[in-house]
Amino acid sequence: KNEVEQSPQNLTAQEGEFITINCSYSVGISALHWLQQHPGGGIVSLFMLSSGKKKHGRLIATINIQEKHSSLHITASHPRDSAVYICAVRDYGGSQGNLIFGKGTKLSVKP
Amino acid sequence: DTGVSQDPRHKITKRGQNVTFRCDPISEHNRLYWYRQTLGQGPEFLTYFQNEAQLEKSRLLSDRFSAERPKGSFSTLEIQRTEQGDSAMYLCASSLARTPSETQYFGPGTRLLVL
Repeated sequence: KNEVEQSPQNLTAQEGEFITINCSYSVGISALHWLQQHPGGGIVSLFMLSSGKKKHGRLIATINIQEKHSSLHITASHPRDSAVYICAVRDYGGSQGNLIFGKGTKLSVKP
Repeated sequence: DTGVSQDPRHKITKRGQNVTFRCDPISEHNRLYWYRQTLGQGPEFLTYFQNEAQLEKSRLLSDRFSAERPKGSFSTLEIQRTEQGDSAMYLCASSLARTPSETQYFGPGTRLLVL
């Protein structure tokens, strides 16, 4: 079973700072997702990656398949970015339905 | 709003009672997933459907849990004889199966508290 580890668990930043959240996994995957969860529970899918890099606005996600590692970067952070960021993977040979989630990184951006 | 709705949003019940949650996915999505999330943890997979067929169940889904998707549209998750350990957020997600890596869209969740 894949083990998904995220770091850091908690992160506090000042508005405008560049932020990096890391995710590592133990077994080969077919896809990796970055998700954002706001207080109250709502989860929004940010990126789905199987290789390389994706960019959407101030968010950038990268994945290194050989190192089994992904990073989520936020440029020019803003208080509205405060949320829990969750990494989730689908095992390469595993079920189509089953995502394995990390515990999340709680980000707080101070004005 | 992702287009996935869940009802109710909150449920408080006494230990031993039965509860049922409903999920309405995005209408053209043929896959539907249930997850459970406890405080400070990431979500854990419970089960998923492709159309009306339940294709996989996690070992977390004890006999007290049952899920259905009778017409391949909405789904229900029932917990019988609730226990305090069932207190959690129950999340539903849906997706359209085009490739193995399709995006899942999550509902707002149903927060269950068992007293």
